[in-house]
Amino acid sequence: DARVTQTPRHKVTEMGQEVTMRCQPILGHNTVFWYRQTMMQGLELLAYFRNRAPLDDSGMPKDRFSAEMPDATLATLKIQPSEPRDSAVYFCASGRTSGGSNQPQHFGDGTRLSIL
Amino acid sequence: AQTVTQSQPEMSVQEAETVTLSCTYDTSESDYYLFWYKQPPSRQMILVIRQEAYKQQNATENRFSVNFQKAAKSFSLKISDSQLGDAAMYFCAGGSQGNLIFGKGTKLSVKP
Repeated sequence: DARVTQTPRHKVTEMGQEVTMRCQPILGHNTVFWYRQTMMQGLELLAYFRNRAPLDDSGMPKDRFSAEMPDATLATLKIQPSEPRDSAVYFCASGRTSGGSNQPQHFGDGTRLSIL
Repeated sequence: AQTVTQSQPEMSVQEAETVTLSCTYDTSESDYYLFWYKQPPSRQMILVIRQEAYKQQNATENRFSVNFQKAAKSFSLKISDSQLGDAAMYFCAGGSQGNLIFGKGTKLSVKP
């Protein structure tokens, strides 16, 4: 089965350090999403792309977070500088939309980020 | 704005019994999709079932079925013959044009 691949699975670093999370969407999917999951806030959408163009990043703190899709097989989420409140599980998901049809999102296994 | 509400933070069911998880949504879109996802302790997000809003027939996937009440904006998930492996967080989600809004989740416990 095709899968969304996220790296790393776990990341522990000190506050102030740069963190980069990577995602390889399922081949043929044209939408990519970044979510953050915490106990307090649940699943929050940070950003999403369609055909590699950013459509919505209103959920992302712009001063420290950035999301990009350098090509169709790679999406990145960067945090610089990182803070303890950024500790969470970050999920990438991909899907396919065309002509209004909304296919389900397929999730990666997530990156568990701990900022000390 | 779209909202998805799951009013049951936790639910419990006896093995082999049936349980229903509630979800309500609010949207101004005429064309939208609704989903249930399962998140076991392994934290994977697994798609359970999908419903297109324009379809009147309730979706069914083996032991999982939905009760989609469009006028009431209700989208509940019924799990029949519950199994120990069904224990997980269940998230209701809805949206259109690719973007999904997720509910806060319901933690389901299955008692042997």
